[in-house]
Amino acid sequence: DVKVTQSSRYLVKRTGEKVFLECVQDMDHENMFWYRQDPGLGLRLIYFSYDVKMKEKGDIPEGYSVSREKKERFSLILESASTNQTSMYLCASRRQGASTDTQYFGPGTRLTVL
Amino acid sequence: GIQVEQSPPDLILQEGANSTLRCNFSDSVNNLQWFHQNPWGQLINLFYIPSGTKQNGRLSATTVATERYSLLYISSSQTTDSGVYFCAVLYNQGGKLIFGQGTELSVKP
Repeated sequence: DVKVTQSSRYLVKRTGEKVFLECVQDMDHENMFWYRQDPGLGLRLIYFSYDVKMKEKGDIPEGYSVSREKKERFSLILESASTNQTSMYLCASRRQGASTDTQYFGPGTRLTVL
Repeated sequence: GIQVEQSPPDLILQEGANSTLRCNFSDSVNNLQWFHQNPWGQLINLFYIPSGTKQNGRLSATTVATERYSLLYISSSQTTDSGVYFCAVLYNQGGKLIFGQGTELSVKP
């Protein structure tokens, strides 16, 4: 089974702090994604990566950056956390094959910025 | 861009009942996935179903790509089926998914 893990389930930070959210997958997938989920707005893509050191902006990249130094790990960085970044953050990994093209999600991190 | 609409937005069932959730999409797609988000927030992939029908236990899904819709069937519902069901379609080859707004299902004992 595909396993995607995230470093924290719950996180509380203060405005202006630098925040790191870590995501690790164990299936050698090339594509990884960071989403945020907010009530009434659904899931929105922040950034994705299709290979080591490669990244692409999603729909809402402002205020975020990412790092992918190793294939299994994709990090989301909030350079200076703000209260409007309070949200549920979900990481995903993509499996592609002859008969499948599916995304597998981690358990999520509920981030509160005070 | 592609629009994805799900119906109904909310559904309340008695345990044991059957239900059908619908997903309409505005353009042709070659990748459609169904997910279940449990009350703790975990999103679980249920089906990859760009066309045709698949079954997994009490759940089955059908996609009619030419008519731009997909259906998720839940039979003999259980309380553990509660949560939000999302369909998502692939936007580009990079893997970006466009999600519907979800159907929130509550199964009462």
